[in-house]
Amino acid sequence: EPEVTQTPSHQVTQMGQEVILRCVPISNHLYFYWYRQILGQKVEFLVSFYNNEISEKSEIFDDQFSVERPDGSNFTLKIRSTKLEDSAMYFCASSDYRGSSYNSPLHFGNGTRLTVT
Amino acid sequence: ILNVEQSPQSLHVQEGDSTNFTCSFPSSNFYALHWYRWETAKSPEALFVMTLNGDEKKKGRISATLNTKEGYSYLYIKGSQPEDSATYLCAFRDSGYALNFGKGTSLLVTP
Repeated sequence: EPEVTQTPSHQVTQMGQEVILRCVPISNHLYFYWYRQILGQKVEFLVSFYNNEISEKSEIFDDQFSVERPDGSNFTLKIRSTKLEDSAMYFCASSDYRGSSYNSPLHFGNGTRLTVT
Repeated sequence: ILNVEQSPQSLHVQEGDSTNFTCSFPSSNFYALHWYRWETAKSPEALFVMTLNGDEKKKGRISATLNTKEGYSYLYIKGSQPEDSATYLCAFRDSGYALNFGKGTSLLVTP
């Protein structure tokens, strides 16, 4: 069964450094997402991406964050200058279209654990 | 921020017991309610997507109901098995693209 893959599984970086988290969504999916979970908290929405542009973003997704789908297969999340509070598990997800995007479940990757020191 | 609450926070049952969890969500501007099963060290896996008031869905021993007018959904597991041990997440969707997750119910089933 096709799956969403994320790399790396764990990334350690120093405060102020840039990080890029990579994802390969399921190939025929149309909607792409990034979520994160800070330890002990709820899974939080960051951004959704459809038709090569951001369709929605949360308050968390400020100017330090950006997303890209550079080659039609990879979907990346860049954090320009990491802060300690960016430490979290970051999940990529994708979904297809079943008459409506509302009917479609999300398929998640295994996540990238980002540790900012 | 849309408030999605799940209860109980955690549950410990014996193999063979049946159990259920609750998810409450805003009753206005409802578009969909998702349930996911999340095992440790794996990715969340979709169980159900429910969109209509009164929806009931079933997958093996797991079933879910939806009441959009009062803003709640129940997830039932019949005859729990150790492999059912996981965190069960519900997520509410309004007219946007974002899923708003609850904190989850952590289920432990012991033999």
